[in-house]
Amino acid sequence: DTEVTQTPKHLVMGMTNKKSLKCEQHMGHRAMYWYKQKAKKPPELMFVYSYEKLSINESVPSRFSPECPNSSLLNLHLHALQPEDSALYLCASSQDRSGGPREQFFGPGTRLTVL
Amino acid sequence: QQQVKQSPQSLIVQKGGISIINCAYENTAFDYFPWYQQFPGKGPALLIAIRPDVSEKKEGRFTISFNKSAKQFSLHIMDSQPGDSATYFCAASRTGFQKLVFGTGTRLLVSP
Repeated sequence: DTEVTQTPKHLVMGMTNKKSLKCEQHMGHRAMYWYKQKAKKPPELMFVYSYEKLSINESVPSRFSPECPNSSLLNLHLHALQPEDSALYLCASSQDRSGGPREQFFGPGTRLTVL
Repeated sequence: QQQVKQSPQSLIVQKGGISIINCAYENTAFDYFPWYQQFPGKGPALLIAIRPDVSEKKEGRFTISFNKSAKQFSLHIMDSQPGDSATYFCAASRTGFQKLVFGTGTRLLVSP
């Protein structure tokens, strides 16, 4: 299985809602990533988990809260978002083994619209 | 120092032609250079990657050329097809750092 899956595919939420994005991989990868991508822009790193511990937080507002319940799962909890947070949210994974392959594999993304 | 500059911003190529996208970097510590292909509404897909110990890598119709002294690398798509129409991102990273630094992207349109 060489796939990163993300659910839901689309999400529409109001500014007062609480919702969660889910990501799953079964490639045995130990690093998982959340990216945000706006239209016609490159992906922008938000968080990195390495061996289920948060290793990078790119100064993301606290209304985004990541969680890594186990080595295969990554969640992004959303609360009190703003309309400008509307974007494609991408999950990725990589092996994270010293000296090993560094390829990051991306999921299909969740298209988030904040009303 | 952390930037990767990508050009052109957009590119139109006739079917069967060669598409060339260029990237340049400043940080000499970068030692891994992947290219990603992204279709509208989809996640980026890893296309091909190169390390600085080789000057060229070819996979099917896709070739990366790497010039370490000039700190430049490029993607060549031979015999371009309409199905290659997508946005292409170059990227770079360095050993020990999980962060990928992306270029700004190139929108490729291959006309039939």
